[in-house]
Amino acid sequence: ETGVTQTPRHLVMGMTNKKSLKCEQHLGHNAMYWYKQSAKKPLELMFVYSLEERVENNSVPSRFSPECPNSSHLFLHLHTLQPEDSALYLCASSQDWGGVNSGANVLTFGAGSRLTVL
Amino acid sequence: RKEVEQDPGPFNVPEGATVAFNCTYSNSASQSFFWYRQDCRKEPKLLMSVYSSGNEDGRFTAQLNRASQYISLLIRDSKLSDSATYLCVVNMGAGNTDKLIFGTGTRLQVFP
Repeated sequence: ETGVTQTPRHLVMGMTNKKSLKCEQHLGHNAMYWYKQSAKKPLELMFVYSLEERVENNSVPSRFSPECPNSSHLFLHLHTLQPEDSALYLCASSQDWGGVNSGANVLTFGAGSRLTVL
Repeated sequence: RKEVEQDPGPFNVPEGATVAFNCTYSNSASQSFFWYRQDCRKEPKLLMSVYSSGNEDGRFTAQLNRASQYISLLIRDSKLSDSATYLCVVNMGAGNTDKLIFGTGTRLQVFP
């Protein structure tokens, strides 16, 4: 496997369900991200992990809970979601976060997990 | 004012045409800039970084104008395969932090 892989690719869940999105990167990168992409809106940064430490949490509701057990894996745990949470959730990784080398923050995205909340 | 602003388009151009997109940003201290390309129902992929001196990659040329706070992307000799949404990304982080802000994207449709 190469690049950034996300599972599942599609997920339909009810508002009372609990599910998780999984992301794995095979690039040896030190930073991983969760983004939300809704129709006609720019990508919204949700969380950033650098060297397995959360460095950014952009006022995301607590019904979204990230977990980064190691530098290659990132999860997004979902519970009691709302219909407006339906969107494409993109995982990304970069060589580094916040380094002096500007090229090190180039993002490589996974194919995304399309979430529908009923 | 939006942090990163793009004309959503769509820009409909014939094959072989030259097309240019602009993107304006609000933070004059922004340090790095990128263009990403996103095909329909696919993930964004880096097209090119934008350097202060401007840079060219084949048919694609990116420019940065710090005084007016905008970056541009010029595509020459458009191909059908260039049809996609082009996302402007600006790093508004300060110090040793990154804060990559995405525009909503400009949709390009190249027709035969």
